[in-house]
Amino acid sequence: QQQVKQSPQSLIVQKGGIPIINCAYENTAFDYFPWYQQFPGKGPALLIAIRPDVSEKKEGRFTISFNKSAKQFSLHIMDSQPGDSATYFCAAPRAYQRWSDSSYKLIFGSGTRLLVRP
Amino acid sequence: SAVISQKPSRDICQRGTSLTIQCQVDSQVTMMFWYRQQPGQSLTLIATANQGSEATYESGFVIDKFPISRPNLTFSTLTVSNMSPEDSSIYLCSVFGLANYEQYFGPGTRLTVT
Repeated sequence: QQQVKQSPQSLIVQKGGIPIINCAYENTAFDYFPWYQQFPGKGPALLIAIRPDVSEKKEGRFTISFNKSAKQFSLHIMDSQPGDSATYFCAAPRAYQRWSDSSYKLIFGSGTRLLVRP
Repeated sequence: SAVISQKPSRDICQRGTSLTIQCQVDSQVTMMFWYRQQPGQSLTLIATANQGSEATYESGFVIDKFPISRPNLTFSTLTVSNMSPEDSSIYLCSVFGLANYEQYFGPGTRLTVT
């Protein structure tokens, strides 16, 4: 069964640090890799996504780096703040399984619980 | 991005009963998804609900347990039937934007079964 492997499971950094979360994927239907941020009691919110016509995408303090040959992508949070403390999920589109399969389905990593200390 | 609301936001239900969760989107969308997120876990897709067709269920989920309705392009319901404590989870509605591949989630329904 297709998986997206996410690491680390949890991460603690000091304010201003740069936490890095990594994901590795298997075959996908198409190249689109989003990251979601989830606060306790809330639904996941789309944070940033990359379509690999580029190897890196930045939005504010958040950066996705992508390595297509290695089938890996990562999230970097620059100048992290206590308000960034949340669970982060990476995702990848599920590979086609049969011709009629609607493959606009995301498979999610296991999540990384980030704590940014003041 | 789409604005998604869910009702109820949370509920505590007794074993053997059923709960219907509603999902409302502020714009017309073709594809809607229902996910389950058990405490401290990742998101697991239950089914895809497209307007005008039967919902398609993922392995391990069946229509009798999780019947879904999709009467129009802005609304869907998920029913959790004959509940047991193992059904205690957060249930999330999600929509997909074909134009940009972006997928958005509702706030979730936190279900506790006693």
